[in-house]
Amino acid sequence: QVQLVQSGGGVVQPGGSLRLSCAASGFTFNIYAMHWVRQAPGKGLEWVALIWYDGSKENYADSVKGRFTISRDNSQNSLYLQMNSLRAEDTAVYYCVRDFGGNYGMDVWGQGTTVTVSS
Amino acid sequence: QSVLTQVPSASGTPGQRVTISCSGSRYNIGTNTVNWYQHLPGTAPKLLIYDSNQRPSGVPGRFSGSKSGTSASLAISGLQSDDEADYYCSAWDDTLDSVLFGGGTKLTVL
Repeated sequence: QVQLVQSGGGVVQPGGSLRLSCAASGFTFNIYAMHWVRQAPGKGLEWVALIWYDGSKENYADSVKGRFTISRDNSQNSLYLQMNSLRAEDTAVYYCVRDFGGNYGMDVWGQGTTVTVSS
Repeated sequence: QSVLTQVPSASGTPGQRVTISCSGSRYNIGTNTVNWYQHLPGTAPKLLIYDSNQRPSGVPGRFSGSKSGTSASLAISGLQSDDEADYYCSAWDDTLDSVLFGGGTKLTVL
């Protein structure tokens, strides 16, 4: 079936780095754009980043621009989020999400992985 | 603070029709279509409406969406207890080059 399985996450000190991974299966990964979306404790959903189906273009939220990098390996059906210079406010559940196509609707979500930035 | 504005809470009784609104600007809702998500605690969000008024397969017809100018609405008819959840609107913003989410509306079924 169509699914996104996430790995990575954990506890990291402020200023540290972490890499999230997302393995796609059950669909043709290389024709879909992909997103990362997060939810901080007690807060709403926040879009983080987008990468086009072929990796040719990336977009980022202002809150993570210059610190986070989204990437993909279509040969491995995988999506990544490299997070550097982490701050306490980056603490959240992070979701890997498939773009529905056309107007940035997101139709398939990973199970979520928790990132905690704390000393 | 979200650029897409939603009222923080809404409520209704079983069987009732409720509407959740989302207000934006000419750079997001005014130009682009709106998507709506249902989010139950501890689960992944679910796409309810895409392209402002289209339902993905499997989403009941009780859920409908509309857009007018710089605002959009999600309507839920025949309210059920398991509709109790957080609802989020989202749209692309042409000036920010970003996807925006509204702040979310917590729906309570009384």
